[in-house]
Amino acid sequence: DGGITQSPKYLFRKEGQNVTLSCEQNLNHDAMYWYRQDPGQGLRLIYYSQIVNDFQKGDIAEGYSVSREKKESFPLTVTSAQKNPTAFYLCASRDIGMGQPQHFGDGTRLSIL
Amino acid sequence: EDQVTQSPEALRLQEGESSSLNCSYTVSGLRGLFWYRQDPGKGPEFLFTLYSAGEEKEKERLKATLTKKESFLHITAPKPEDSATYLCAAGRGNTPLVFGKGTRLSVIA
Repeated sequence: DGGITQSPKYLFRKEGQNVTLSCEQNLNHDAMYWYRQDPGQGLRLIYYSQIVNDFQKGDIAEGYSVSREKKESFPLTVTSAQKNPTAFYLCASRDIGMGQPQHFGDGTRLSIL
Repeated sequence: EDQVTQSPEALRLQEGESSSLNCSYTVSGLRGLFWYRQDPGKGPEFLFTLYSAGEEKEKERLKATLTKKESFLHITAPKPEDSATYLCAAGRGNTPLVFGKGTRLSVIA
């Protein structure tokens, strides 16, 4: 089945620690996205990539980093510089064609220990 | 600035009580209006794409419609399993979609 796989489902971070969230897709989509979702805030865009080896900052990129070395994979690192990392993180992908929807994974919930 | 606004924030319906959710948008060069359903602890699930004013799409008890300024998601005779957050998003070419904050729908048996 084609889809987007996010792992782990739950993740705990200690103070001063970097953690990496995995996102893999087998939909052959060019574009991939990372969002953060907090209660009452809706989806906020962290980073996106439309092609391998290239990515752009979204609205709330500070304290996060990404890489896009393969078309299928777009990992997100939450660095120690992100002071309020507790949230639900969603990865999405999309075919680069006019009017195509984004498809989402089932998310990773990150909490602070 | 491109913007998508959804109303109401929350809606509570009795089973069988039909209603509509609103999504108003100010996006230049709209390339698709998208509706998603999100269950707690899950990622949004794609429902519909609408491309032009006057277009309608249906799926079971849901019907989405589009005008030049807003979209409606009509829910006919809802059931408790329709309870979820419904998200609306506007497309602008190949740039990321602009999402609204969603409407939390609760359907009570």
